Amino acid sequence: AQSVTQLGSHVSVSEGALVLLRCNYSSSVPPYLFWYVQYPNQGLQLLLKYTSAATLVKGINGFEAEFKKSETSFHLTKPSAHMSDAAEYFCAVSEAKGGSEKLVFGKGMKLTVNP
Amino acid sequence: DGGITQSPKYLFRKEGQNVTLSCEQNLNHDAMYWYRQDPGQGLRLIYYSQIVNDFQKGDIAEGYSVSREKKESFPLTVTSAQKNPTAFYLCASRPIDSNYGYTFGSGTRLTVV
Repeated sequence: AQSVTQLGSHVSVSEGALVLLRCNYSSSVPPYLFWYVQYPNQGLQLLLKYTSAATLVKGINGFEAEFKKSETSFHLTKPSAHMSDAAEYFCAVSEAKGGSEKLVFGKGMKLTVNP
Repeated sequence: DGGITQSPKYLFRKEGQNVTLSCEQNLNHDAMYWYRQDPGQGLRLIYYSQIVNDFQKGDIAEGYSVSREKKESFPLTVTSAQKNPTAFYLCASRPIDSNYGYTFGSGTRLTVV
């Protein structure tokens, strides 16, 4: 079964600093990978997705992620953090089995941005 | 605008009562999903449905039930058999032949007292 690992549960950065959120995946087949963002008491919003095209994926709000097969990683980055980036971020992998498909999520990473 | 509507936003129930959470989408998506979110545990899949009148158990289906009588609706019932029902519940949908990711509703926070 596919899985994703997000090490740690919280990360804190200063406004203007680099944001790096790590995600490692486990998959027996080429994966589809996703990053979602969640603001308090809201649903999840898709930031970006990797679907076997370009390995460097650009998303909304200035975020991007790079798929590295050799490292089984899909880390999320943003060059300069903004206060509005404070939220929880989830990495997910798409798992297909027996004709059905579902998303498997990591445990999430809460990002705090300090002024 | 197309989207997924979950209602109500907040729900309070007494222990031992069944409660049904609503999820409606007007995106014409085939597949629908229910996830449960607890702090520090990410999202865990409860049930999902690929087509009308068919659904499958996810990883934590015990104590929950669903129905899919219409393409646009996928209600979730939290039964009295669910040991720890207090949580944030998220509904999602996607087109069946797409890898464009899921569209999520804004969630229902259920508190059982």
